[in-house]
Amino acid sequence: AQSVAQPEDQVNVAEGNPLTVKCTYSVSGNPYLFWYVQYPNRGLQFLLKYITGDNLVKGSYGFEAEFNKSQTSFHLKKPSALVSDSALYFCAVRDRWDTDKLIFGTGTRLQVFP
Amino acid sequence: DAGVIQSPRHEVTEMGQEVTLRCKPISGHDYLFWYRQTMMRGLELLIYFNNNVPIDDSGMPEDRFSAKMPNASFSTLKIQPSEPRDSAVYFCASSFGVVGYNEQFFGPGTRLTVL
Repeated sequence: AQSVAQPEDQVNVAEGNPLTVKCTYSVSGNPYLFWYVQYPNRGLQFLLKYITGDNLVKGSYGFEAEFNKSQTSFHLKKPSALVSDSALYFCAVRDRWDTDKLIFGTGTRLQVFP
Repeated sequence: DAGVIQSPRHEVTEMGQEVTLRCKPISGHDYLFWYRQTMMRGLELLIYFNNNVPIDDSGMPEDRFSAKMPNASFSTLKIQPSEPRDSAVYFCASSFGVVGYNEQFFGPGTRLTVL
């Protein structure tokens, strides 16, 4: 069965430092991978996706993610964190040969300190 | 575009009462999803529709939950009777085209509290 794991409940980083939010997946076939962000009292917002092609995907707000097939990972990164990046981040996956569902991870809370 | 619209934003009710949550998807989108978010279980897909037809309702927790999409611009999620364990934030999302390829747009959610 397809699944996605976010091993860290919370990531703390100082403003200006690089940040990484980890995601690993398990699917049969090639995955479609997504990152979403949720700010307090808001719905999820799309950040970026990997479908095919370049393993480094650039998205909104300066975020990027690297698809690593051998490690089955899709980590979210940003070179320089902002306090306003503090939010809940979700990784999601869809198996191309499965239904139209997205499977979401449990979420990682990113806290950026001034 | 106003985005996905959900109403009410907050609902407080007593156990045993019927609750109806409403969603208006983005115009032109052909997929609609209902999710539930809790601290314990995270984000769960309850049901989704394609072109107003329910495709997968395997995430609906029990017969007390039902969802309808009478037309392309409106969907409801009904809980009858409600129980305290139904307390959660319920999100509606919509998308266009091949799901999993195109991003889903989420509404602001309805925070349901069942006393």
